[in-house]
Amino acid sequence: QQQVKQSPQSLIVQKGGISIINCAYENTAFDYFPWYQQFPGKGPALLIAIRPDVSEKKEGRFTISFNKSAKQFSLHIMDSQPGDSATYFCAALTFGNEKLTFGTGTRLTIIP
Amino acid sequence: KAGVTQTPRYLIKTRGQQVTLSCSPISGHRSVSWYQQTPGQGLQFLFEYFSETQRNKGNFPGRFSGRQFSNSRSEMNVSTLELGDSALYLCASSPDRGGRGTQYFGPGTRLLVL
Repeated sequence: QQQVKQSPQSLIVQKGGISIINCAYENTAFDYFPWYQQFPGKGPALLIAIRPDVSEKKEGRFTISFNKSAKQFSLHIMDSQPGDSATYFCAALTFGNEKLTFGTGTRLTIIP
Repeated sequence: KAGVTQTPRYLIKTRGQQVTLSCSPISGHRSVSWYQQTPGQGLQFLFEYFSETQRNKGNFPGRFSGRQFSNSRSEMNVSTLELGDSALYLCASSPDRGGRGTQYFGPGTRLLVL
């Protein structure tokens, strides 16, 4: 059972544009929702994370929007740059369980 | 602080062999989790160790096992390797359990089973 659904599978955005990746979850017991960025040949790197009692969190060009009632959250990358080209994973975790459940990933390509 | 380190980085084995992978967490981190990443199945949780005890286990066969040492370093072992075990094996460390949430990943060990 896929507990975290991520879309789109791939995304092409022009430099300077806004990249938006969406995730939906089913398990209301999740306490923590991180986003990871992964470059080829590297492990996932934590980008930004949010807890369900907050509707939005911003760190630099990266923003998470969280809709608890809809059980959805999204990553917005403002002013997208070629260096942002990577695969992005959303994830969810229940405290005390410590098991990250990942979405299927979005391959983001920023074109000049 | 040094990040999570994993050794070896690359490994080639044949079917039926066994393999041991090693993970050193970030200094001070006490929880270590292992994940398998494949193109078909994505990132899947294998198990988590804290205070030398397995606290949680994913849906993998008993051929996959692990342990954690008193210095928080962890190893995972896969016995009787199958072709489908070819994957990137990732280790992640976290300062503690229950409330911190943040897991930091190592670069992974890429295992190829021939």
